[in-house]
Amino acid sequence: GENVEQHPSTLSVQEGDSAVIKCTYSDSASNYFPWYKQELGKGPQLIIDIRSNVGEKKDQRIAVTLNKTAKHFSLHITETQPEDSAVYFCAASIGSGNTGKLIFGQGTTLQVKP
Amino acid sequence: DAGVIQSPRHEVTEMGQEVTLRCKPISGHDYLFWYRQTMMRGLELLIYFNNNVPIDDSGMPEDRFSAKMPNASFSTLKIQPSEPRDSAVYFCASSPMGFGTDTQYFGPGTRLTVL
Repeated sequence: GENVEQHPSTLSVQEGDSAVIKCTYSDSASNYFPWYKQELGKGPQLIIDIRSNVGEKKDQRIAVTLNKTAKHFSLHITETQPEDSAVYFCAASIGSGNTGKLIFGQGTTLQVKP
Repeated sequence: DAGVIQSPRHEVTEMGQEVTLRCKPISGHDYLFWYRQTMMRGLELLIYFNNNVPIDDSGMPEDRFSAKMPNASFSTLKIQPSEPRDSAVYFCASSPMGFGTDTQYFGPGTRLTVL
């Protein structure tokens, strides 16, 4: 079945450094790739997303890149801050139509050390 | 908008009891999703609705789980009878209808503990 693999499972960086989280997906028809941030005791919140007709998208310190040929996408956080510490999830849509269904990666726990 | 609303936020019950989790989606959203989150299995999709109709319930673990959406502003997830392995955080999410609107908005979750 459809699958999303996410790496690494944990990531520790110093404040100010960059963090990169990578995901691969199996469904070649996937066309929507969101990233969610989950803080302790809260639900996942969308931080950035990208669609298959775009190779890169940036929003301030956060950027996402997509390689459809290789079926992988990455989240890049620059100038990390302690408040970036959280669990990050990637996801991929199922099928080419708008079924609304997403498959999530297993999550990456990011720790930013002051 | 208040976002997706879930209740209760915490539920502690004993094995064998019935548990009902509630969700109010964002107004105007036509998709509603129920997820379960555990350390071992991560975020699992249990069931989702489109225009109040269940579309895919393949993630529902067994017959003890049931979900309903009687109208566009309310959904329930029921577990009867509950078991300790059902302990998890249950999230509800909603999404607007239409092409290019796959974005899902999550509620704060219900932390369920079954003793």
